[in-house]
Amino acid sequence: DGGITQSPKYLFRKEGQNVTLSCEQNLNHDAMYWYRQDPGQGLRLIYYSQIVNDFQKGDIAEGYSVSREKKESFPLTVTSAQKNPTAFYLCASSSLAGAETQYFGPGTRLLVL
Amino acid sequence: AQKVTQAQTEISVVEKEDVTLDCVYETRDTTYYLFWYKQPPSGELVFLIRRNSFDEQNEISGRYSWNFQKSTSSFNFTITASQVVDSAVYFCALSKGSGTYKYIFGTGTRLKVLA
Repeated sequence: DGGITQSPKYLFRKEGQNVTLSCEQNLNHDAMYWYRQDPGQGLRLIYYSQIVNDFQKGDIAEGYSVSREKKESFPLTVTSAQKNPTAFYLCASSSLAGAETQYFGPGTRLLVL
Repeated sequence: AQKVTQAQTEISVVEKEDVTLDCVYETRDTTYYLFWYKQPPSGELVFLIRRNSFDEQNEISGRYSWNFQKSTSSFNFTITASQVVDSAVYFCALSKGSGTYKYIFGTGTRLKVLA
């Protein structure tokens, strides 16, 4: 089955700790995205990547980092610089960056201990 | 600036009622795309529809229908004969037609369908 997988489903972070959220897709999509969702709010773009070894900051990139070493994978690291990381994180991909439809993974819920 | 407004924060209906979710957008682009997504309690966003700015035809898919009106910058979504399984948060989103990567999401409308 083609799709997007995210792991883990739940993640707990201690103060001062970096954590990495995994996102993998087997749709052969070129573009991948990370969004953050807070309760009662829409999705906000953190980072996106149009091709391997290239990525761009979105609206709220501070405190986050990404890599795109493989077409299928786009991991997101939440660093200790992100002071309010508790949120629901969604990964998406599309066949071409831009207006092509984005398809989403199941999400990772990050909680701070 | 681009903006998407979903003024209805939460709607409750009784099963089998029809319900319309409103979406109003702002853009200066002549070419753009509009989307609706469903987010059930599991959290994953499920794609429902994509419409480009040059196609104002209404669309029907089963119990779902969409009314796109450029004159009022609206892209409303109607569920006919609602069911409990329709309970979810629904998001409207806007994207430019070319040269960009970004969706602008509304804040979502939570729909509760009561049995």
